[in-house]
Amino acid sequence: DGGITQSPKYLFRKEGQNVTLSCEQNLNHDAMYWYRQDPGQGLRLIYYSQIVNDFQKGDIAEGYSVSREKKESFPLTVTSAQKNPTAFYLCASSRPQGRGNTEAFFGQGTRLTVV
Amino acid sequence: GESVGLHLPTLSVQEGDNSIINCAYSNSASDYFIWYKQESGKGPQFIIDIRSNMDKRQGQRVTVLLNKTVKHLSLQIAATQPGDSAVYFCAENIGPGGSYIPTFGRGTSLIVHP
Repeated sequence: DGGITQSPKYLFRKEGQNVTLSCEQNLNHDAMYWYRQDPGQGLRLIYYSQIVNDFQKGDIAEGYSVSREKKESFPLTVTSAQKNPTAFYLCASSRPQGRGNTEAFFGQGTRLTVV
Repeated sequence: GESVGLHLPTLSVQEGDNSIINCAYSNSASDYFIWYKQESGKGPQFIIDIRSNMDKRQGQRVTVLLNKTVKHLSLQIAATQPGDSAVYFCAENIGPGGSYIPTFGRGTSLIVHP
């Protein structure tokens, strides 16, 4: 079945460590996104990519990095520079955005906890 | 930048009642809106969408209303069931600087009491 897969579901990070969250989609979507969700909050955009080998910062990009070497993959690295990384991370994909266009499809999320 | 917002963070209803969840958006250029449902520990799922050339769209037990004059969206759920308990987000497809990026509001937690 087509879909978007995030792994791992749960991730624990020690202070000062970098960790990478995986996001893979087989929907043939050009656009991919990373969002952060804190308790009682909405989704805040970290990074997005509209096409392979290109990505843009979102509202809260500091302390995060991404790559988009393949259309189906958009991994997110949470670096030691991110001071408060404990959160629920959601990856999404969609066809190219434009006027009156399509929905974003989400993965099931990765819950990152700093220990 | 401005973003979509919601009026009520929590809505409690009795099973069988109708639920109405509201959303205010601030970007008058927004031309596409989606309602998502997010169950605990899961990613958001599409419920229904509406384009700016419409003011109402109906699905199965759900209706979305769009009032462009006051920049307001609502999601109506008929005969609410316990399985409807979740957080509901509205989203617009215009992000910072006018770029086409799915942009979400804070969300409303719907609690359905049996």
